[in-house]
Amino acid sequence: GQNIDQPTEMTATEGAIVQINCTYQTSGFNGLFWYQQHAGEAPTFLSYNVLDGLEEKGRFSSFLSRSKGYSYLLLKELQMKDSASYLCAGMDSNYQLIWGAGTKLIIKP
Amino acid sequence: ETGVTQTPRHLVMGMTNKKSLKCEQHLGHNAMYWYKQSAKKPLELMFVYNFKEQTENNSVPSRFSPECPNSSHLFLHLHTLQPEDSALYLCASTQGGPGFGTDTQYFGPGTRLTVL
Repeated sequence: GQNIDQPTEMTATEGAIVQINCTYQTSGFNGLFWYQQHAGEAPTFLSYNVLDGLEEKGRFSSFLSRSKGYSYLLLKELQMKDSASYLCAGMDSNYQLIWGAGTKLIIKP
Repeated sequence: ETGVTQTPRHLVMGMTNKKSLKCEQHLGHNAMYWYKQSAKKPLELMFVYNFKEQTENNSVPSRFSPECPNSSHLFLHLHTLQPEDSALYLCASTQGGPGFGTDTQYFGPGTRLTVL
């Protein structure tokens, strides 16, 4: 079956760095998405990886290892506004998204 | 502002009521989606419309009835719901249709539905 695993909740300190991991099992693979969802708001696109390696976008970076079925989202210089849920989604060979349950990130001062 | 709006934002209904959720996208996209989001569970894809034609129905109970009059509007008609249907219902859109590639999904803020 197809599956996405990510931690349910993480806590980090303002100004620090946090890494949110995601492992995936999909029938074929057409990339890995990360979305951010603040409480009561729409999920918004953060990143898309289809090739191995690290993609950096400002304070956020996303990494992919296709051989390991593994991705992570790295958030640097954490700010209180980064408190949100982070959704990992893998795209299978039919371009269907397989979603994880999301990781709730709590930032403490 | 993601360009996808949903109304109402909150809805409380009894099991015998009939109500409708509305979604509108202002992005000129061709495909629209309904998702159910329950606490601590992955997003569940319910329905997909591509150029107003329904292309996917993921074994959703008939008490949920979608309608897509044009590429910009999507409705979800609800009747005789159960308490376990309480969830956040998200609408999304993509430029291309499903299976057309790796289009980013643009989501609306959702309707928080409570069934009593």
